[in-house]
Parts: sequence; C-alpha cells; structure tokens
Amino acid sequence: NAGVTQTPKFQVLKTGQSMTLQCAQDMNHNSMYWYRQDPGMGLRLIYYSASEGTTDKGEVPNGYNVSRLNKREFSLRLESAAPSQTSVYFCASSPGTGGYGYTFGSGTRLTVV
Amino acid sequence: SQQGEEDPQALSIQEGENATMNCSYKTSINNLQWYRQNSGRGLVHLILIRSNEREKHSGRLRVTLDTSKKSSSLLITASRAADTASYFCAIRDSGAGSYQLTFGKGTKLSVIP
Repeated sequence: NAGVTQTPKFQVLKTGQSMTLQCAQDMNHNSMYWYRQDPGMGLRLIYYSASEGTTDKGEVPNGYNVSRLNKREFSLRLESAAPSQTSVYFCASSPGTGGYGYTFGSGTRLTVV
Repeated sequence: SQQGEEDPQALSIQEGENATMNCSYKTSINNLQWYRQNSGRGLVHLILIRSNEREKHSGRLRVTLDTSKKSSSLLITASRAADTASYFCAIRDSGAGSYQLTFGKGTKLSVIP
C-alpha cells in the first residue's frame, strides 16, 4: 500500500526556473494538501483541495499554483523559483476535511540557488 | 487560523522513562491531533482527540485535552530509542468553513539507550 507518493524527492533549481511537484494518493481520499516545512517554522499550509474540482489558498500561497488533476493527483507548481522557496514540501491527504488525520508523503527537498 | 505551541522545544530522556509533551492554543477547536516525524521523513498521524473528549489512548501513547485551559498533553510511556523523533500538535479550528489543520513547531524528543 503506497499511501501518498511524492516526486521528485530532491531538486535543485536556479532562480527563475519553474517546476512542478507531483503528488498522488491511492486511498480514495477526497481532500489533499500541500505544506512547506522550514527550520523553526513548523509546517505551513500552501494550498489545499477539499474535494476534486476545488482548490483554496492556505497560509502561504504566494509564488505557487496548484492543480487537482483528478481525485488521486494534486500538483504544486513554482512558476519562477526564488531562494525563499527553498524548503521541504509535503503533500498530504485525508478522507475529508472534517475530523480525520492526515496521511503524509515523504517530502520533496527543494533548493533554489 | 491559530497555531498550537509545543512545550518543551526539546526533551532528552533515558530509555524506559516516560516522556510528556504539551501543546497550548488560543481559540476554540474542533479537534487536536498529534503527529510524529522521524528525521528526514514525512509526518505520521498518532492520535486525534475531539473537543468533547478528555483522554485517548493508543498503545503506549496517552493524550489528554483540557479545553478550559486550552491545552493538550502527549505522554509516551516506557520510551524506546525508536521513539526518538519530533512530535507536532495540530489544531483544527471550530470556525465554520475552517478546513485548515495548523501545526505547531514541534518538540524534539531524544531517547538515550
């Protein structure tokens, strides 16, 4: 059982380059999330998708876009990467937006130089 | 949305001892969750406790919730070296339309063999 799969696991970008982080879940969950984790900052929500066909901004959406491609997949795009976007990115999913725990992927470590 | 604050920031104990971590928050919650993160890995959901619950158990884990004091504690009994990890509390606000789960900055637990 794969759970939540994120690709790639590591990436180095130059300032101004673009890239898409991929996330897929195989648990038939309705809701999906993108977080970033920075030292001393905890996890901060970038975007979420409460259900297929909907997306909403979280706490730190600037510089990012998302696509809920289908029920399984939720991608995060950096259009023009900046050094401030150097971080570890986590995708998560849950059955719904109510009283459920989240299942997290193993993360993408992104460095922007 | 609010953020839970864990205390202490770091905790070091001997194997076999109990470990207690605390989480405080500021407004009304729907539920509070605890997660574990091993170094370099994704977060793993441990326990969810709802606002109308006072205590929950899962194996060696015991979580309490005191809504009057706006605080929660996570107790790990008979700790093992494998419990070495960071532990995060996460808050789900009770506000209408609040879909976000907000994470604290974590407690780093070291269990010395």
